[in-house]
Amino acid sequence: NAGVTQTPKFQVLKTGQSMTLQCAQDMNHEYMSWYRQDPGMGLRLIHYSVGAGITDQGEVPNGYNVSRSTTEDFPLRLLSAAPSQTSVYFCASSPLYGTGNGYTFGSGTRLTVV
Amino acid sequence: QQQVKQSPQSLIVQKGGISIINCAYENTAFDYFPWYQQFPGKGPALLIAIRPDVSEKKEGRFTISFNKSAKQFSLHIMDSQPGDSATYFCAARGNTPLVFGKGTRLSVIA
Repeated sequence: NAGVTQTPKFQVLKTGQSMTLQCAQDMNHEYMSWYRQDPGMGLRLIHYSVGAGITDQGEVPNGYNVSRSTTEDFPLRLLSAAPSQTSVYFCASSPLYGTGNGYTFGSGTRLTVV
Repeated sequence: QQQVKQSPQSLIVQKGGISIINCAYENTAFDYFPWYQQFPGKGPALLIAIRPDVSEKKEGRFTISFNKSAKQFSLHIMDSQPGDSATYFCAARGNTPLVFGKGTRLSVIA
């Protein structure tokens, strides 16, 4: 099925461990982004990309790194996990221009840092 | 700085009633206003969206009302059904990534 695929769906990390959350889309969307969702906080933007080789910070970038080497993939790296990074992470993509600017979201990665 | 303010945080509506969720924004550069619906354990899904050149958009039981001068927009769900029970997010963007409201948890009771 076409769309945004996130892996893994669930992950438990120990404080200080590193990991990469994977995101892939097969819709040839130029724009990709990562959000975290916490109770009562809505969806907060971590990092985003408008095309391969171009990334920028969002509202809550600290503790996270991204890179965009291909149009399809946009991985999110946690270099040294902290309990404050316990959250549900969503990847989203969209066309950069045009009338359909709505985002397509993945199904999320639920991360717990202990 | 919260760029999109959403209310209420939670809403309980009787089956067949009208659900109304409101959002307000400050950035006059915003030109696209979508609403997303999220069921537990799932990612948000685009429900309906509007641009500021129209004051209302209707798709089935879902209607967006947009007031450009007041910088407000709202989602109306007519004939609300238990299957509409979900969290709803308003959002806005201009030449920038989408910014989201904090969400409204809607419960439709029979």
